[in-house]
Amino acid sequence: NAGVTQTPKFQVLKTGQSMTLQCAQDMNHEYMSWYRQDPGMGLRLIHYSVGAGITDQGEVPNGYNVSRSTTEDFPLRLLSAAPSQTSVYFCASSVGRGDTEAFFGQGTRLTVV
Amino acid sequence: GNSVTQMEGPVTLSEEAFLTINCTYTATGYPSLFWYVQYPGEGLQLLLKATKADDKGSNKGFEATYRKETTSFHLEKGSVQVSDSAVYFCALSENGGKLIFGQGTELSVKP
Repeated sequence: NAGVTQTPKFQVLKTGQSMTLQCAQDMNHEYMSWYRQDPGMGLRLIHYSVGAGITDQGEVPNGYNVSRSTTEDFPLRLLSAAPSQTSVYFCASSVGRGDTEAFFGQGTRLTVV
Repeated sequence: GNSVTQMEGPVTLSEEAFLTINCTYTATGYPSLFWYVQYPGEGLQLLLKATKADDKGSNKGFEATYRKETTSFHLEKGSVQVSDSAVYFCALSENGGKLIFGQGTELSVKP
């Protein structure tokens, strides 16, 4: 059982480039989310989705787009990369109830130069 | 809005020492509370949780009690091991599975 799979694990981008971080889960979870992790700031929510076709903004959505065409996949798009987007990105999924566990991918370390 | 505050790290302990990592929260309603652990180079994984006041979550020798009167969920372990070296995150859940995290506390355990 793979759980939550993120690709790539590492990426270096030049300022202004665009890219898509991939996230897939095989647990049939309705709720999926993207976080960024920065030193001393914990994890901050970028975007989330409560089911296929439904997405919403989190705490730090600017510069990122998402879509959810299937239950399994929740890609995160960086439209025009900036150095401030250098971070570690985590995708997570859960059944979407407040008392249940979230499952995280292994993360994507992104550097924007 | 809802928020979580953790004690700042890094925390360095000797093996078999007692561990406390403080966590306090601000929330409307009655959220569930979680501790997640991140080992080097990995994603987060659930360590323990508590879903209502006075519940105690426990796992791998770690414990935390949901204290509504002090809005706290402190993590404790009686005797830490080198293998417990990791970053620990306190979190609360909002409606529908959204998690609000504290800033994380890095623990380093020396032999």
